[in-house]
Amino acid sequence: AQTVTQSQPEMSVQEAETVTLSCTYDTSESDYYLFWYKQPPSRQMILVIRQEAYKQQNATENRFSVNFQKAAKSFSLKISDSQLGDAAMYFCAYRRIYGNKLVFGAGTILRVKS
Amino acid sequence: DVKVTQSSRYLVKRTGEKVFLECVQDMDHENMFWYRQDPGLGLRLIYFSYDVKMKEKGDIPEGYSVSREKKERFSLILESASTNQTSMYLCASSPGTGGPGELFFGEGSRLTVL
Repeated sequence: AQTVTQSQPEMSVQEAETVTLSCTYDTSESDYYLFWYKQPPSRQMILVIRQEAYKQQNATENRFSVNFQKAAKSFSLKISDSQLGDAAMYFCAYRRIYGNKLVFGAGTILRVKS
Repeated sequence: DVKVTQSSRYLVKRTGEKVFLECVQDMDHENMFWYRQDPGLGLRLIYFSYDVKMKEKGDIPEGYSVSREKKERFSLILESASTNQTSMYLCASSPGTGGPGELFFGEGSRLTVL
């Protein structure tokens, strides 16, 4: 079974600085999708960024980018120019190409200091 | 805008009570999911449905059942609530197979069983 591991329960970053959240996963599949979701306090979870494993280029969405290392099964999220609104729980998730279910990591709480 | 609505944000129930958690989506999505979120454990899949009246067990189905009589509505049922079912419950939906299958989440239902 696929597993997703987020080894950092909590991270802190100063406003305007850059922070990287780590995620590793375990799978025997060669093609799959990876996601980062954001859950702000008392608000619904939203998609931040996704990566298709067959694409070598790292995905980028404005201040959010990923470092996808397929051989190492690593999928980290970099947030540049951190803002107070980035404070949230971040979840890494995996999905097989042919499947409906997402497997989530335990999450990382990100605190942003002003 | 895409919307997934969960009927109750906060519920308090007594041990042994039957509990219904309702979820409605307005995106005509085929797939609907119920996840349970606990600190340090991330999101764990309870059940999902890929069509009306169709369902599949997730990773932690024990003590739960589901109902999907209409495409837009997916209900989670706790037949006899127990204290270890105190948790945050998240409903999500996604389009049918093909494509990345991004999940759209509701705001969550926080259930306390006394």
